[in-house]
Amino acid sequence: QSALTQPASVSGSPGQSITISCTGTTSDVGTYYYVSWYQQRPGKAPKLLIYDVGDRPSGISSRFSGSKSGNVASLTIAGLQAEDEADYYCTSYTTTGLLFGTGTQVTVL
Amino acid sequence: QVQLEQSGAEVRKPGSSVKVSCKASGDVFINYAINWVRQAPGQGLEWMGNFIPVFGTVNYAPNFQGRVTIVADESTNTTYMELRSLGFGDTAIYFCARFLPTDSSGYFYYAFDIWGQGTLVTVSS
Repeated sequence: QSALTQPASVSGSPGQSITISCTGTTSDVGTYYYVSWYQQRPGKAPKLLIYDVGDRPSGISSRFSGSKSGNVASLTIAGLQAEDEADYYCTSYTTTGLLFGTGTQVTVL
Repeated sequence: QVQLEQSGAEVRKPGSSVKVSCKASGDVFINYAINWVRQAPGQGLEWMGNFIPVFGTVNYAPNFQGRVTIVADESTNTTYMELRSLGFGDTAIYFCARFLPTDSSGYFYYAFDIWGQGTLVTVSS
């Protein structure tokens, strides 16, 4: 069971928007709307940013948005800020459980 | 506010087993599912399995099937994860994490909203 594919790194300048892709298959991202996104800072537990493809939990900035097209889910961070520098992971439901993405390191230039 | 408190760091020899606990406070235990996720040093996150009280089911990731056991003690609001036949590749931080609670219509969310602080398991000879 392979992990979902994410770019290893994405960077942007403050104020810019960046998008992180999460590529799966018809067995996971392509079929189910149970896609979520997490932010993880060094030494910390992950933090939920997006669930069910595009819904935000209470307290999460509207700068974070999610979408899906076919087998690819995406996380967009608008108005990039220094505090957004972290690792980001996607997950998807599959028939055998939950599958994480490979992770993306976001750098704010 | 629900919190998940995990047991402390462990050191084990190859071939042995480890049992990590995750105690929930602040809510009724039966209301949500507890998952186990691990992260090897410098690596990504990996889902291991979960216990879903409302369904009465335990589910394991294919990569861990036969080597991991997840059990829950409702009387103490604690979930346990035991991993057997440890190898050096099992050195990792092990997290417990709660699924978002089901809503009033019973809709089930497959997203982790609350995490434990993590437990470092080191496998060393």
